Amino acid sequence: GENVEQHPSTLSVQEGDSAVIKCTYSDSASNYFPWYKQELGKRPQLIIDIRSNVGEKKDQRIAVTLNKTAKHFSLHITETQPEDSAVYFCAATKGGSYIPTFGRGTSLIVHP
Amino acid sequence: DGGITQSPKYLFRKEGQNVTLSCEQNLNHDAMYWYRQDPGQGLRLIYYSQIVNDFQKGDIAEGYSVSREKKESFPLTVTSAQKNPTAFYLCASQTQGAGDTQYFGPGTRLTVL
Repeated sequence: GENVEQHPSTLSVQEGDSAVIKCTYSDSASNYFPWYKQELGKRPQLIIDIRSNVGEKKDQRIAVTLNKTAKHFSLHITETQPEDSAVYFCAATKGGSYIPTFGRGTSLIVHP
Repeated sequence: DGGITQSPKYLFRKEGQNVTLSCEQNLNHDAMYWYRQDPGQGLRLIYYSQIVNDFQKGDIAEGYSVSREKKESFPLTVTSAQKNPTAFYLCASQTQGAGDTQYFGPGTRLTVL
């Protein structure tokens, strides 16, 4: 089955810095890659996603890049703010499947 | 995601008891899921259902049971056979299309006393 590795497990940055979280996947048939943000005690919420026919997608301060050849995708957050502090999860879903495989999460801490 | 509700928010269970967690959605989604979340372990799939009256085991189904009698509802029962049930439980739903986004409920935190 699919395996998703996510790094780092913890990321500490100063306000205004950029943050990058990386995920690798094992199944080349995966074609949908969402990113979720989960604040403490809350539900995961989709912040951005990308499909395998696209290499990059941006939404204001957030961007996701996908390298299908290397089977990895990354979340980029620019100009970080304290409210960006949360756990971020990546996921990969194989074409034809209804079941995403999640990474273990990255705890992002943004220091004011 | 505001169309998915879970209850209760907090639940306490004595050892040997079965408890049922509720999940309801009004998004008209066909597929529903239950995940267990423990610190540092991400989201682990317990059960999922793609259609009414049908469901499949996920990666950690032992000690859990589900039913899907209505499209809107997918309750999870944590049985006494689950030896370490203390965790945060998340329900999710998505449209029938493969590779579509999952939307999560607010979660239930279960604690065994």
